[in-house]
Amino acid sequence: QVQLRESGPGLVKPSETLSLTCTVSGDSISGYYWNWIRQPPGKGLEWIGYYFHNGYTIYNPSLKSRVTMSVDTSKNQFSLTLTSVTAADTAVYYCTRGGNAIVGATPFYWGQGALVSVSS
Amino acid sequence: DIQMSQSPSSLSASVGDRVTITCRASQGVSNYLAWFQQKPGEAPKSLIYAASSLQSGVPSKFSGSGSGTDFTLTISRLQPEDFATYYCLQYNSYPLTFGGGTKVEIK
Repeated sequence: QVQLRESGPGLVKPSETLSLTCTVSGDSISGYYWNWIRQPPGKGLEWIGYYFHNGYTIYNPSLKSRVTMSVDTSKNQFSLTLTSVTAADTAVYYCTRGGNAIVGATPFYWGQGALVSVSS
Repeated sequence: DIQMSQSPSSLSASVGDRVTITCRASQGVSNYLAWFQQKPGEAPKSLIYAASSLQSGVPSKFSGSGSGTDFTLTISRLQPEDFATYYCLQYNSYPLTFGGGTKVEIK
């Protein structure tokens, strides 16, 4: 059974960098799409971007200039950094595992989510 | 970006009812459409992918249909555990985009 767990600071100051790590168990990082998705409190879902197993990344244009995603296959971890955060970046951040190259990026497995608040 | 419009935004239904939720894309997404269920305080859960394929472990009372721009999620025989918010997602084009959600409440 695939399990994902997000970890990282729950509070980030404005203009600083948000960093989250997703630890994957029960599956290998290789061969799948790995998405980050966020949800501001009381609002809908926003796709941030994905990393594909061969290092291919696609980011949401609305966040592209501030986002970096990477994978550490030795630790089976998937990471997100978001720079120059503002209050608008306050959200629950989910890491998700998508399908393979045939099925596509749609998230099949989700972490429990990590609430990150941006405040001084 | 492809805009995903869900309707209705909320609905009230009774246990045992059949419920249909619609998702419309601003341009064609082929069958790259997924549905998710989210309960308060929980992460979303995958229900349907490729418009009509049931995710492993999801009960058959959930079904999806459609292709191109118009899609539906149907829940037959609504049960108490089905009261939740449902989202559609297109993954045909970047950026991936979600519908605004449909909240299914108890009548």
